[in-house]
Amino acid sequence: QSALTQPASVSGSPGQSITISCTGTSSDVGGYNYVSWYQQHPGKAPKLMIYDVSNRPSGVSNRFSGSKSGNTASLTISGLQAEDEADYYCSSYTSSSTYVVFGGGTKLTVL
Amino acid sequence: EVQLVESGGGLVKPGGSLRLSCAASGFTFSSYSMNWVRQAPGKGLEWVSSISSSSSYIYYADSVKGRFTISRDNAKNSLYLQMNSLRAEDTAVYYCARGPAHWFDPWGQGTLVTVSS
Repeated sequence: QSALTQPASVSGSPGQSITISCTGTSSDVGGYNYVSWYQQHPGKAPKLMIYDVSNRPSGVSNRFSGSKSGNTASLTISGLQAEDEADYYCSSYTSSSTYVVFGGGTKLTVL
Repeated sequence: EVQLVESGGGLVKPGGSLRLSCAASGFTFSSYSMNWVRQAPGKGLEWVSSISSSSSYIYYADSVKGRFTISRDNAKNSLYLQMNSLRAEDTAVYYCARGPAHWFDPWGQGTLVTVSS
């Protein structure tokens, strides 16, 4: 069981927007602005999409955005494209002995 | 171009040992914390260990504490993971990744470790 809770799957049609949630506790997501999001295509290494809740690394499309409210962080993808179909993972720093926790991952299907 | 290349994976029997390496290039290795993250077949990501730029701070997941040792050689731009007392549940692709742990970027291509008799 992962420390952060994500929906197992989400789907959307091209051009639509989707949001993936990531729920933790006050010891991780809610306590620090240290949430990051990763995209992973099958057989490939993960890629950083969002760091520190809402910051986009250079080269990442502005269709990807992040936010946080309380103990829940969210990744929003607008203008869905076929290439966005992938697994998405959230991660957070935690004050527990675990230090870093990941969500279980969300499979995004572009219909 | 920033690049991380892992090596050292393979098949090992339960109770055995393995040493993973990660060769870094394209950035000032000695300025960054480094990490190991693993992914069991068909499963999600699991953080394994982190080491600060000067090796002053080291952290481990509870699942590997006492069995794995992370280290680095800044002169050789290399990160290592010594894995002892390996178990079947350690079977995974092991990725090295640059970053302060609250973000990881970039990631290497990964190296597969299979623990089986």
